[in-house]
Amino acid sequence: GQNIDQPTEMTATEGAIVQINCTYQTSGFNGLFWYQQHAGEAPTFLSYNVLDGLEEKGRFSSFLSRSKGYSYLLLKELQMKDSASYLCAVVNNNDMRFGAGTRLTVKP
Amino acid sequence: GAVVSQHPSWVICKSGTSVKIECRSLDFQATTMFWYRQFPKQSLMLMATSNEGSKATYEQGVEKDKFLINHASLTLSTLTVTSAHPEDSSFYICSASGLAGGRTTDTQYFGPGTRLTVL
Repeated sequence: GQNIDQPTEMTATEGAIVQINCTYQTSGFNGLFWYQQHAGEAPTFLSYNVLDGLEEKGRFSSFLSRSKGYSYLLLKELQMKDSASYLCAVVNNNDMRFGAGTRLTVKP
Repeated sequence: GAVVSQHPSWVICKSGTSVKIECRSLDFQATTMFWYRQFPKQSLMLMATSNEGSKATYEQGVEKDKFLINHASLTLSTLTVTSAHPEDSSFYICSASGLAGGRTTDTQYFGPGTRLTVL
């Protein structure tokens, strides 16, 4: 079976930094994705990690440790528009499974 | 690049009718397309995976005779909800992966979704 866990909700202040964690237990692993989903819209691609380490892309960074089954998404200089759900998804062969998502609220 | 479109963006239908949703990859060849369903405040639930020219692989609990999937070309997949009922009301999202920039990619690019309401 597959288990992908993320916190349900997080709150942070505009301009701050927030880290959203994702842990997984899967029978195989071919990569981990982070997606952003605003309410009522489809998910949009943020990042993809297949090797251990940190991938930085502007204000967003994603980290992966395959041995620990752990990833995090780091959002810097938070803006109000970053309020959204953030979905962690693990790929096993051609099969991608999503976590339940973390609903992030950014407050002024 | 890697744009996926869906049509219609929303549809309201009467119970018992069938609804077809189209998913198109506009600028790349989608060797694999995925259909998801999402209920309010819940995560995406994979319904089925389809490879171009092959029969779709359905997830456990998804009725293949009710949710007909066709992936006849590298740029088009369709989902038909047959004999729709109010409990089928949901947000249906397709995604596509495949050849982008001349190389295969595991990244799934999502369509904008179709909101189905069955009265």
